[in-house]
Parts: sequence; structure tokens; C-alpha cells
Amino acid sequence: SAVISQKPSRDICQRGTSLTIQCQVDSQVTMMFWYRQQPGQSLTLIATANQGSEATYESGFVIDKFPISRPNLTFSTLTVSNMSPEDSSIYLCSVEVYGEAFFGQGTRLTVV
Amino acid sequence: AQSVTQPDIHITVSEGASLELRCNYSYGATPYLFWYVQSPGQGLQLLLKYFSGDTLVQGIKGFEAEFKRSQSSFNLRKPSVHWSDAAEYFCAVGTSSNTGKLIFGQGTTLQVKP
Repeated sequence: SAVISQKPSRDICQRGTSLTIQCQVDSQVTMMFWYRQQPGQSLTLIATANQGSEATYESGFVIDKFPISRPNLTFSTLTVSNMSPEDSSIYLCSVEVYGEAFFGQGTRLTVV
Repeated sequence: AQSVTQPDIHITVSEGASLELRCNYSYGATPYLFWYVQSPGQGLQLLLKYFSGDTLVQGIKGFEAEFKRSQSSFNLRKPSVHWSDAAEYFCAVGTSSNTGKLIFGQGTTLQVKP
């Protein structure tokens, strides 16, 4: 299994600013994943982050808006840049261990 | 393209009654299928998964699901619902090469009546 810690758990931010979300895993993993869950919606994969290489973004998501860092095998950050109210969502970090995806508790972001 | 459909947005059942949550998927090859539960204020928890083999899989909390290739379905069932089962349930599909990269259905909200 894997235990994932995300920080912050929630935040309220002003539009036009940026927020960096941290994800820490208790074991070394090759890939980390970032998902977005918009209010009342399902989860959508933003990107896959591999250590030592650039993240791979899904259709509809771009690096300028959601830059990701992956400095080592247990840590990753997702930045939500130049925020607008439409960015208000829960952002979740995930890892895959032996065929099972584990999720952090999520970061609930409200943009005002 | 892969997709997952959960036809029921909201379901209400009485405590002790049986439950079935529907999930249909679209995927060219053999899918890797998952059911997750998300309780209020909680993260996602895996209930069960299907990779291959027996098409009836058992999960945690008394849940089971049946993979039916001919119907492209992976419905979740529980014989007797408890009030604590009230939550959001997500069906998801992954690929054999990357089970961490999931496509989720829209989710089904389960309400349990006393």
C-alpha cells in the first residue's frame, strides 16, 4: 500500500494568483498522477509525473497552467497558475502500487 | 477512446436492502476495472478490482462486482446495505500498462434511508 500526504488540505485564493500543492508518498514510486475533481463532477487526470523527466499532460491541460515538479521518487508538486474561479476544484495526488491506485485526501481549492 | 458510464447519478435504498450500481465501459482491449468509494471529507478508497480470471470479484465491506464482457459492464453489488455505505461511488478503467492512469465514470451518489 501507499500513504499519501497532501498539503494544503484546503485553501481560498484570489484570482490571478498561483497555488502550489505538495504531495508526499511514504514509499518510492515511479509515477505519480495528478487529478482534478470539479464540484459535483468525476475525477479527471491532469498529468503523469515521472521522476527525472517532464510531466505528461492529458488533453485539455497545459504545462503553463499546471506546472509539475518531481524532484525525487517520493515527492511531487502541482502548481495551479493564474487562477480563476473555474479552477475551484479538489486536486488529488495518486500513485500506483502493484496495480492499485492510491489517492491522497485531496486539496480543496476555492478561487474568489 | 476509453470511457466509463455510470447511468445512475443518484440512488436511494433502504438500509438492509440490496444494492446494484451500474457501470459500462468502452475500451478496445481487456480493461482493468475498478470501483472506488469516496465518503464525505474522505479520500478515495478502492473497493475492488478486476484484472483477469474469475469474472465475479469480491471486495471490501461486503461488496462484489461482476465483469460481463458481452455487455461491457462491471456492476457493483451488495446484498444488504448499511447506513455507513452512503457515499459517492466511482467506476474506473485503466490499461494493462498503467493502472495508475484511470478514467473515471461520473459517479453515483448513494443515499441510505433508515
